[in-house]
Amino acid sequence: DAGVTQSPTHLIKTRGQQVTLRCSPKSGHDTVSWYQQALGQGPQFIFQYYEEEERQRGNFPDRFSGHQFPNYSSELNVNALLLGDSALYLCASSLEGRGEKLFFGSGTQLSVL
Amino acid sequence: GQSLEQPSEVTAVEGAIVQINCTYQTSGFYGLSWYQQHDGGAPTFLSYNALDGLEETGRFSSFLSRSDSYGYLLLQELQMKDSASYFCAVNRDDKIIFGKGTRLHILP
Repeated sequence: DAGVTQSPTHLIKTRGQQVTLRCSPKSGHDTVSWYQQALGQGPQFIFQYYEEEERQRGNFPDRFSGHQFPNYSSELNVNALLLGDSALYLCASSLEGRGEKLFFGSGTQLSVL
Repeated sequence: GQSLEQPSEVTAVEGAIVQINCTYQTSGFYGLSWYQQHDGGAPTFLSYNALDGLEETGRFSSFLSRSDSYGYLLLQELQMKDSASYFCAVNRDDKIIFGKGTRLHILP
């Protein structure tokens, strides 16, 4: 049973570029959440997708957008990258209604130069 | 707003017991969760308290008191592999909000 998988594992971009990160949830899970984690900090909630809709959103600008596909996989897009967007981006999956238990992927380490 | 406060670092000795506290300023949340994260790894779920009281899972226990806006994670029989960061998190309106984490150092 595959857990949550994310790709790529590492990414280097320059300011102003755009990036797309991908996530496949744990088998049987229908809800995907995205988090940004800066070094030494806790994960910061970006948004959550369920039934291909953005259901909740944290305090992130519109440069951060996402999508969920019919197979429950998800993408995170970040436009007009800033140096401050450098962080570990974590995807977490769960069952709708069981949001208290998240299963995390290993993350994508994004470096913006 | 919502905020969760945890000590930034805690140090304990192998074989001992350690308690990591979490205080919060939010209301109307479904429950309090705890996650463990090793350096370079992903957070992994440890425990969840939907109701006040103690939940025990092996060497780990978690406690919640809504009236005191307080919870804690208790780790017993500490092992070197328990060296990691520990996060408390609240589930509110389908958002799971994390604290900044407590770095646990274990001395041999």
